[in-house]
Amino acid sequence: KNEVEQSPQNLTAQEGEFITINCSYSVGISALHWLQQHPGGGIVSLFMLSSGKKKHGRLIATINIQEKHSSLHITASHPRDSAVYICAVSSGRETSGSRLTFGEGTQLTVNP
Amino acid sequence: DGGITQSPKYLFRKEGQNVTLSCEQNLNHDAMYWYRQDPGQGLRLIYYSQIVNDFQKGDIAEGYSVSREKKESFPLTVTSAQKNPTAFYLCASRGTFLNYGYTFGSGTRLTVV
Repeated sequence: KNEVEQSPQNLTAQEGEFITINCSYSVGISALHWLQQHPGGGIVSLFMLSSGKKKHGRLIATINIQEKHSSLHITASHPRDSAVYICAVSSGRETSGSRLTFGEGTQLTVNP
Repeated sequence: DGGITQSPKYLFRKEGQNVTLSCEQNLNHDAMYWYRQDPGQGLRLIYYSQIVNDFQKGDIAEGYSVSREKKESFPLTVTSAQKNPTAFYLCASRGTFLNYGYTFGSGTRLTVV
């Protein structure tokens, strides 16, 4: 079993829909990261969080440390949101040398 | 603008040849990382470096080598000993102290024929 599990693996939505991507992890963590990978392959860091909730534009990330679970929500989805969304966790003391463990990613397709 | 530059974007090599992938950052980050991505799998750590002239093996270091002679640069060499080198390679860096966020490059797709 992977230390970081994402669901669903694939998600297709219509423009405007509310989207939720889930991430569960089995190890103790110091932070959880949500990343976005576009078809060209480049990755953008969306959020880093260790508790509670963060919001940036139409994106919201939440984490429940007790349940070892995080969700990424996209409100009013748009075709340009189509990408692979990756959950990653860092464990141990949070330093510049901390290593990430990645989920396999969720492929999101938003149709117009 | 600050960021990470990986070059080239696509690279083709013959089997048995060594090849070096470039990664340069102008973010003044101490830590740099190399990851490999294969279809249907999460990113896996090859090597990382927390400071100049120092680096550590990641989970899949066999067949790879790195150097960190300058803070800005962390090149990865894929040697002929790497049994399955065809993959997508991503470089990343990480800030320190008050800003631990990661910055990723755009990746290099290596195909060995």
